[in-house]
Amino acid sequence: AQSVTQPDIHITVSEGASLELRCNYSYGATPYLFWYVQSPGQGLQLLLKYFSGDTLVQGIKGFEAEFKRSQSSFNLRKPSVHWSDAAEYFCAVEDTGRRALTFGSGTRLQVQP
Amino acid sequence: GAVVSQHPSRVICKSGTSVKIECRSLDFQATTMFWYRQFPKQSLMLMATSNEGSKATYEQGVEKDKFLINHASLTLSTLTVTSAHPEDSSFYICSATPGGEEGYTFGSGTRLTVV
Repeated sequence: AQSVTQPDIHITVSEGASLELRCNYSYGATPYLFWYVQSPGQGLQLLLKYFSGDTLVQGIKGFEAEFKRSQSSFNLRKPSVHWSDAAEYFCAVEDTGRRALTFGSGTRLQVQP
Repeated sequence: GAVVSQHPSRVICKSGTSVKIECRSLDFQATTMFWYRQFPKQSLMLMATSNEGSKATYEQGVEKDKFLINHASLTLSTLTVTSAHPEDSSFYICSATPGGEEGYTFGSGTRLTVV
């Protein structure tokens, strides 16, 4: 069965600093990978997705992620964090068999002024 | 982009009563919708897959008689929590996809509190 690991439960960065959130997956075939962001009490917003092609994926709000098959990773990056980026971030892999998502445990991002 | 609407956003009910949550795809048809549950400060866990015109598929450990799912049209799926108890209090989120490489769109979630 597929699984997703987000090793960092909580990350704090200063506003303007760069950010990298880690995600590792376990999946037998070529994965479909996603990053979502969730503000408190809200649903999930899709930041970016990888299906195939260029391994560096650009998303909304200045985020990007790089798919590295050799490392089974799909880390999320942003060059300069804004205070409004404070939220919970989830990495997910699609189970193409049942077409549902398996989520990582999430990383809570705090942004210091 | 694809939009999924979920209602209500918050509901408080008494123990023993039933609560219905609606999930609508507003600008696309969805033969399949997904229901997730999220406990505080935890990740999302898939509860069931809702299939238009047929029975839902439940994940292991999810009581199908407690969490009734109906997917009567290509744009509407409902989750009914029957005989709710305080342990059913949680954040419930639905999801659907237009297909292809569109990805999955999520509703805004429903905070259920059973008192």
